Amino acid sequence: DIVMTQTPLSLSVTPGQPASISCRSSQSLLHDDGTTYFYWYLQKPGQSPQLLIYEVSSRFSGVPDRFSGSGSGTDFTLKISRVEAEDVGVYYCMQGIDVPYTFGQGTKLEIK
Amino acid sequence: QVQLVESGGGLVKPGGSLRLSCAASGFTFSDYYMSWIRQAPGKGLEWVSYISSSDSTIYYADSVKGRFTISRDNAKNSLYLQMNSLRAEDTAIYYCARDPEGTGLDLWGQGTLVTVSS
Repeated sequence: DIVMTQTPLSLSVTPGQPASISCRSSQSLLHDDGTTYFYWYLQKPGQSPQLLIYEVSSRFSGVPDRFSGSGSGTDFTLKISRVEAEDVGVYYCMQGIDVPYTFGQGTKLEIK
Repeated sequence: QVQLVESGGGLVKPGGSLRLSCAASGFTFSDYYMSWIRQAPGKGLEWVSYISSSDSTIYYADSVKGRFTISRDNAKNSLYLQMNSLRAEDTAIYYCARDPEGTGLDLWGQGTLVTVSS
């Protein structure tokens, strides 16, 4: 199984400041079809997870442009340019290149 | 309204069975792969199973293989998860999610809680 490793596991950020979360996969997520099957999700407190970023860097519908994804191969980053109070929750990375789909451990973002 | 609504969770004894349902609305259910994902209390996300749009392709996590069966009824816009031989470690919130190829799990239900305890 592909192992997804997130760092850090927790983050405390002042509103208006940037935040960054890293995720590393145990093998390349670049498929022969040219697509990198890598995603970011946010699970807000008491809610279901929601898709933020797909295929490394594409923002899902309705996701604010303060969220951006980057990376390639096995190393990926989610950046929030200016954290807002509504961004609190647990962020998960996920690979979809192979079954079983696997998630990172999650990164808990809190507001200072 | 585009949504997924799970049902069927509850308290069951170890070794027992439960069938979860996921009702889809607001989109063409038969066009999409679908997945089940679970989350043990206070823990992270674990993918459980997926099924292709025509149910020709099905995969399971090793942790549930041989005990759980995923199925769908496109005429009823519904996804199912039959869970047999349940164990304490199956205790979790079970989410169904839409799984369009390449785009990730783009629509999630609210989840249904399964508790396995004597």
